[in-house]
Amino acid sequence: DQQVKQNSPSLSVQEGRISILNCDYTNSMFDYFLWYKKYPAEGPTFLISISSIKDKNEDGRFTVFLNKSAKHLSLHIVPSQPGDSAVYFCAASGSGTYKYIFGTGTRLKVLA
Amino acid sequence: GAGVSQTPSNKVTEKGKYVELRCDPISGHTALYWYRQSLGQGPEFLIYFQGTGAADDSGLPNDRFFAVRPEGSVSTLKIQRTERGDSAVYLCASSSQGGSYNEQFFGPGTRLTVL
Repeated sequence: DQQVKQNSPSLSVQEGRISILNCDYTNSMFDYFLWYKKYPAEGPTFLISISSIKDKNEDGRFTVFLNKSAKHLSLHIVPSQPGDSAVYFCAASGSGTYKYIFGTGTRLKVLA
Repeated sequence: GAGVSQTPSNKVTEKGKYVELRCDPISGHTALYWYRQSLGQGPEFLIYFQGTGAADDSGLPNDRFFAVRPEGSVSTLKIQRTERGDSAVYLCASSSQGGSYNEQFFGPGTRLTVL
């Protein structure tokens, strides 16, 4: 029972273009969502988050969009840079809980 | 400041052996989490500590797995009678307090290989 799904295992984007990573969830009790980035042999690093009371959160080149009715969120990276090449994990959490439920990740490759 | 550290970075053991994995959280962080990441999967929650007590151990797969945090800082994940299926990267994370709205900072993980 995968509560958080990332259906694209990999994505390749040209440098300077927009990268769009998608995530779907099934549990309507989730109210906090995060994106983590992971380089090989390192732990996941927090990138950006969004609360369910918002539909957009922006931080520099990174923007997360939340569509609660569709139970869908996406991460936009623009412009994409080669250093953005990593595995991106979507995670979700519900109010009153503390554990994150992670998706399976999307490997982003930004081509120079 | 120092981030979350985990030792060892790699551990190779034989089936049936006992292993201990150590996590040093960020100083002052009261909440500590263990996750397990299998190949091709995202991190999977194992256990959460608030201070010295395990507030939620619902993710531990069976009674061969046990974790402690006796002084509310360093934590040790203990696995008895290891099985090949236990092979994974074990990640530790800490946050300034518990609750889903407090960012969790992850360590680099311990890669456990059970032969």
